[in-house]
Amino acid sequence: GDSVTQMEGPVTLSEEAFLTINCTYTATGYPSLFWYVQYPGEGLQLLLKATKADDKGSNKGFEATYRKETTSFHLEKGSVQVSDSAVYFCALRIQRSNFGNEKLTFGTGTRLTIIP
Amino acid sequence: DTAVSQTPKYLVTQMGNDKSIKCEQNLGHDTMYWYKQDSKKFLKIMFSYNNKELIINETVPNRFSPKSPDKAHLNLHINSLELGDSAVYFCASSQDRVLGSYNEQFFGPGTRLTVL
Repeated sequence: GDSVTQMEGPVTLSEEAFLTINCTYTATGYPSLFWYVQYPGEGLQLLLKATKADDKGSNKGFEATYRKETTSFHLEKGSVQVSDSAVYFCALRIQRSNFGNEKLTFGTGTRLTIIP
Repeated sequence: DTAVSQTPKYLVTQMGNDKSIKCEQNLGHDTMYWYKQDSKKFLKIMFSYNNKELIINETVPNRFSPKSPDKAHLNLHINSLELGDSAVYFCASSQDRVLGSYNEQFFGPGTRLTVL
């Protein structure tokens, strides 16, 4: 079945450090890939997406490139801020033939803490 | 205005009780979902409805019964609550008008259920 594997957390970095959170996937078919972020006490928000191989998603200084050859979608940011502290989820979605059947399959989440 | 809302935000109850969680979306979306996030932050699909029709029912005990009175609402009723039901439950919705197109899922803030 479809699955997403994320690097284990928690991850603690100093402000302005470089961030990488690894994500790899296994899927039948051609998935779309997503990064969601969950700030403390809130629901999930879409951070960025890529719908086909070699696409790069970007938002708020975060980037991730859809690498079909390595089945990866690693999240990166050049200089993190305290406000980036949150839980980050990698997810995939397989295009289906009927509405309502396009569930998101999530990784286990990576808790990121940025210290001043 | 809140796009996807859930009530209650917190729910504390005794084992064996029956409880309901309500979800409403004002985005005009056709599809709604329930996800469960356990204590380790692992997030997994439970159900999806498209135009009030059940589409996904993913290895969930039959003590859980979703109900969709209309496209804007998807409620989750849980009978005979067990300790293992303690989790955060997230509702989400998406607009699924065109097969294969990108349909972002918008998440509610979550309902934290604690079973004592």
